[in-house]
Amino acid sequence: AQSVTQLDSHVSVSEGTPVLLRCNYSSSYSPSLFWYVQHPNKGLQLLLKYTSAATLVKGINGFEAEFKKSETSFHLTKPSAHMSDAAEYFCVVSVGNSGYNKLIFGAGTRLAVHP
Amino acid sequence: NAGVTQTPKFRVLKTGQSMTLLCAQDMNHEYMYWYRQDPGMGLRLIHYSVGEGTTAKGEVPDGYNVSRLKKQNFLLGLESAAPSQTSVYFCASSYGGGNQPQHFGDGTRLSIL
Repeated sequence: AQSVTQLDSHVSVSEGTPVLLRCNYSSSYSPSLFWYVQHPNKGLQLLLKYTSAATLVKGINGFEAEFKKSETSFHLTKPSAHMSDAAEYFCVVSVGNSGYNKLIFGAGTRLAVHP
Repeated sequence: NAGVTQTPKFRVLKTGQSMTLLCAQDMNHEYMYWYRQDPGMGLRLIHYSVGEGTTAKGEVPDGYNVSRLKKQNFLLGLESAAPSQTSVYFCASSYGGGNQPQHFGDGTRLSIL
């Protein structure tokens, strides 16, 4: 069965320090993986996606994620946090390569950024 | 660009009342989805549609119905609202299936008293 585990429900960093949000997945197939961000009272915005091309994926706003098949991980990083990065982040695996793509969401990681 | 628009943004219902949530997208996407978001549970799929005139059940379809009469619109109905349906509802659309990313609306916050 496919599943996604976000290892931290809350992460707190200081502005200007690195961000690491951890995600492990379980999939019987070669997965497509996404990171979405949700700001308060907003919908989810796509940060980046992995679809079996380069294992290091660059996204918007300076975020990137590395797909590691041996570790079944897809951790999200950013070298230097900004106050505007404070939001909730969802790791998502897409299952099914044709037709309807079912998205399986992690429970989310809330990122706090302190001055 | 409007993208995905949901109406209303907020609503309070009494148990047993009915209502319809509207989702509209202007990206000519074939696929549309309705999710609910509850604390600590991420998003769960209620129903989805792979094209005009088609609908299918998702992960948590009980108590909800949907219709896709026009390609750009996807309606979610609650026939007899229950307190367990208090949640934030998100509509999304995608160009296709497979690994196509989904684009989300800003959500409808629904409270059932």
